[in-house]
Amino acid sequence: ETGVTQSPTHLIKTRGQQVTLRCSSQSGHNTVSWYQQALGQGPQFIFQYYREEENGRGNFPPRFSGLQFPNYSSELNVNALELDDSALYLCASSRPPGTRDYGYTFGSGTRLTVV
Amino acid sequence: AQTVTQSQPEMSVQEAETVTLSCTYDTSENNYYLFWYKQPPSRQMILVIRQEAYKQQNATENRFSVNFQKAAKSFSLKISDSQLGDTAMYFCAFMKPKSNYQLIWGAGTKLIIKP
Repeated sequence: ETGVTQSPTHLIKTRGQQVTLRCSSQSGHNTVSWYQQALGQGPQFIFQYYREEENGRGNFPPRFSGLQFPNYSSELNVNALELDDSALYLCASSRPPGTRDYGYTFGSGTRLTVV
Repeated sequence: AQTVTQSQPEMSVQEAETVTLSCTYDTSENNYYLFWYKQPPSRQMILVIRQEAYKQQNATENRFSVNFQKAAKSFSLKISDSQLGDTAMYFCAFMKPKSNYQLIWGAGTKLIIKP
């Protein structure tokens, strides 16, 4: 089975720009979650998508938005980039919430640098 | 709100030794999951071990085992016969079911295995 794939692996953006990060979920997984991991810290939950709808959101402003597609892949969009948005963005896929042995499979992340 | 605390920013041991990483958490919930994830330089979060709070028996996965003390809200990870490949950041995470299953993470412990 294929794992979680994220693209791009690295990118550099200028403050005020917009960015789109992409994630392909693991085969058999229909739920995708996004996390932001600042340097030297644990990840912070951004939001989760299940059945193409947002299924919960962390403490992030509306300029962080997302999509999930019928094939369960997902995008994270960030508008009006700020310097503090510089971080590793992790995507994790899973089976539906409540499934036995529920757990996440993570991608290798996208390293975003805002200058 | 739930919190997860890892009090050891960094630890180092000799190869083949046993090492224990500490994690405490705060919650008023009775039913939840606890995880240890490993993050090597490749950046991908890899599940090490998982514990359901309703299970009294401590989880074990080969060289990895946990000491789960529910009343004390403690969840330590023991790595036996440590190997050079165990060098990584280790994160403790808490998940409350039925709250979009988001993971709440500690700040991580950097583990270095010395040859």
